[in-house]
Amino acid sequence: KAGVTQTPRYLIKTRGQQVTLSCSPISGHRSVSWYQQTPGQGLQFLFEYFSETQRNKGNFPGRFSGRQFSNSRSEMNVSTLELGDSALYLCASSLRTGGTTEAFFGQGTRLTVV
Amino acid sequence: GENVEQHPSTLSVQEGDSAVIKCTYSDSASNYFPWYKQELGKGPQLIIDIRSNVGEKKDQRIAVTLNKTAKHFSLHITETQPEDSAVYFCAASKDTGNQFYFGTGTSLTVIP
Repeated sequence: KAGVTQTPRYLIKTRGQQVTLSCSPISGHRSVSWYQQTPGQGLQFLFEYFSETQRNKGNFPGRFSGRQFSNSRSEMNVSTLELGDSALYLCASSLRTGGTTEAFFGQGTRLTVV
Repeated sequence: GENVEQHPSTLSVQEGDSAVIKCTYSDSASNYFPWYKQELGKGPQLIIDIRSNVGEKKDQRIAVTLNKTAKHFSLHITETQPEDSAVYFCAASKDTGNQFYFGTGTSLTVIP
């Protein structure tokens, strides 16, 4: 059974640009959550999508957005990149929503903003 | 919102010894507590979890305990091996969705 696939693995972008990250969840999983991981702030929740609808949103500016497609694949977009957006972006796949179900993470996309 | 604190931030043990990592949470509505292991260059890997209706759970050398009254939970690793060296994160969530609140991580080093 394939795990969570995130593409690309590495990205280098210039300040002011925008970026799109992709996440393919485990087959059959309908919930995808996104997290930002930095040395200073740790793992912080961005948002969760379930059945193409945003279920929860963390405390991030509107420059961070996402969507989920009918096949449960999800994309995350960051517009007007800032140096502080440099981080490891992780997506987590769960069978369902509700908060008490296992979440499995992908390997992440390392974004560097220069 | 929820606040999860994790201690210690670093932990070194001799191979074969036990390691204990402790976390506290603030929101009494939290009812699911997973633990993740993250190796360098990889995403977090779920190693064990516990739900609020259970006080203890074991899986081979790993065990987790939960004290709902005190709002704390702990990870216990027995007979540690060098491959246990990694960063461990605790987390908490509740029924409102798959939003996990993570601790700040514990870097575990097992010395051969």
